[in-house]
Amino acid sequence: DIQMTQSPSAMSASVGDRVTITCRASQGISIYLAWFQQKPGKVPKRLIYAASSLQSGVPSRFSGSGSGTEFTLTISSLQPEDFATYYCLQHSSYPLTFGQGTKVEIK
Amino acid sequence: QLQLQESGPGLAKPSETLSLTCTVSGGSISSSSISYWGWIRQPPGKGLEWIGDIFHSGSTYYNPSLKSRVTVSVDTSKNQFSLNLNSVTAADTAVYYCASRQRGNSFDVWGQGTMLTVSS
Repeated sequence: DIQMTQSPSAMSASVGDRVTITCRASQGISIYLAWFQQKPGKVPKRLIYAASSLQSGVPSRFSGSGSGTEFTLTISSLQPEDFATYYCLQHSSYPLTFGQGTKVEIK
Repeated sequence: QLQLQESGPGLAKPSETLSLTCTVSGGSISSSSISYWGWIRQPPGKGLEWIGDIFHSGSTYYNPSLKSRVTVSVDTSKNQFSLNLNSVTAADTAVYYCASRQRGNSFDVWGQGTMLTVSS
């Protein structure tokens, strides 16, 4: 199984901050990685697919990069509505695996 | 626009078999363009766990941690797919989501989720 290690598990940040979240795969997954945002009580929402492609309708302050085993989600200027939990998902091979999540809280 | 909606009992007793259904609207479950229909769950306060996928051809793929207890199936006549999970325990208490993805891509359409509580 491919393990996805996400870091940090939680972080505090202020509005306007640049935020970076990392996902590391235990083996190469090419660009078969997506990023999701989940707010409390809500359905996960896909932000990024194929490692760096922005989902339609998602603000351009979100960006993804990486390939192989190292991936990054960046929020260029954190907005109040961005406080949420973020998950990566690898779909290179079965079983599909999510990272453990990164909770972004208000500083 | 493709939409998914889960339905389920809400409450199950330990050792029972759980059955959840996902109704697909705005598209055909037999469509090869939406290749995979999947189930994901999230225990209260915890992260997301992939349960299994069914390919539009009927092939199934399961999480090894649940494989012995899980069956995913499709009913094309009702445009639905289902999850059966047997011998449930309190550890199976979670929000269960159905979702769809295209071949080579990740889940982009999700249902609203249905909460299942396992309790005697």
